[in-house]
Amino acid sequence: DAKTTQPPSMDCAEGRAANLPCNHSTISGNEYVYWYRQIHSQGPQYIIHGLKNNETNEMASLIITEDRKSSTLILPHATLRDTAVYYCIVRAYGGATNKLIFGTGTLLAVQP
Amino acid sequence: KAGVTQTPRYLIKTRGQQVTLSCSPISGHRSVSWYQQTPGQGLQFLFEYFSETQRNKGNFPGRFSGRQFSNSRSEMNVSTLELGDSALYLCASSPDSVSSGNTIYFGEGSWLTVV
Repeated sequence: DAKTTQPPSMDCAEGRAANLPCNHSTISGNEYVYWYRQIHSQGPQYIIHGLKNNETNEMASLIITEDRKSSTLILPHATLRDTAVYYCIVRAYGGATNKLIFGTGTLLAVQP
Repeated sequence: KAGVTQTPRYLIKTRGQQVTLSCSPISGHRSVSWYQQTPGQGLQFLFEYFSETQRNKGNFPGRFSGRQFSNSRSEMNVSTLELGDSALYLCASSPDSVSSGNTIYFGEGSWLTVV
């Protein structure tokens, strides 16, 4: 079973920041938080990942709480092309597998 | 750098037939995983290969099988197709199988319709 909980859907106005929450209260010390998104009929696209520090790349920022039990993915200026299902996944560090366990994700609808 | 390439992108098969899907990982990546995505079950892990060896397997019947070649390319096969096998089959690749925080990249998938 997935170890994360996400709201099933969210709306965001175009040009505004989209803040997608994820709960991972049972995360272990050796587990990373990964975010992927899937635009309809395409393969999941990697966005960002982090262990305990906040991370930023050209696509998004990842804010992880100090206790690591939750995180927020921030898309700073959402566009219509950001409409997708966003998946938050926890994944073990240094594990002998690249298996990802997907939950149901959050459908982000960016409104014009 | 080319991404993960899957072929074919779309195919239609008849119940009882078999199908083989192909995946070429990103150059230099040695780990290849396969996933099945259906509206009812979401994204589910099928199996993972690393250095031509299956390292992990999901909860799917034996009709689903795979293999990896020495150049890291991978194929998955589904025999005796059932209507419920209609799905998007996704391949993902990663630099290696045991690494801290290495990133997994997905292909665009192969859409299989069983009629």
